[in-house]
Amino acid sequence: QVQLVQSGAEVTKPGASVKVSCKASGYTFTSYTIHWVRQAPGQSLEWMGWINAATGNTKYSQRLQGRVALTRDTSATTVYMELSSLTSEDTGIYYCARQAAGGPRFDPWGQGTLVTVSS
Amino acid sequence: QSALTQPASVSGSPGQSITISCTGTNSDVGRYDYVSWYQQHPGKVPKLIIHDVTNRPSGVSNRFSGSKSANTASLTISGLQAEDEADYYCCSHTTTSSVIFGGGTKVTVL
Repeated sequence: QVQLVQSGAEVTKPGASVKVSCKASGYTFTSYTIHWVRQAPGQSLEWMGWINAATGNTKYSQRLQGRVALTRDTSATTVYMELSSLTSEDTGIYYCARQAAGGPRFDPWGQGTLVTVSS
Repeated sequence: QSALTQPASVSGSPGQSITISCTGTNSDVGRYDYVSWYQQHPGKVPKLIIHDVTNRPSGVSNRFSGSKSANTASLTISGLQAEDEADYYCCSHTTTSSVIFGGGTKVTVL
């Protein structure tokens, strides 16, 4: 079945970077775009960016532009999200999600990765 | 770009119908028929329940329906059930090829 499996929880310090992986299986990896969405504790969903798995083209939210980078390894069918210059406001759950053709139709989602930024 | 505007909370009794609004601009909701809705139970992963304004994925109850008028999309839950108590988020494509979410609506079944 179609599945996205993310890497495990991370605890990191302010000013550092974090890299989260999202391994896809059960479908043709290069036929879909992967988005990243995050959710701070008790807050709403925030879109971070997308990567076209075939071309590697990316688009990032204005708010995170310059701090977030999405990459992919087609041989490993894995997408990576790296976020730098971390602050406590970056603490939250980070999700990857597959987009079908057309608009933001996110299905399935990864299980989520908790990132905690604390000194 | 600010989040799409949703009411913070909506409540209803079992069996009733409720509607959640999602207001954007003519650069997102009003421009494309690319609005989706997600249901999120506490501690769980968001689940797609409506895409492309009105379409339900296979397996989603037909008690959920979507619509749009101008810059406002709506999600209606009919025959409200206890299991529908959750947070609901709308989402839209934008003219800058980005995505924007709503602030979320907490649905309470009385």
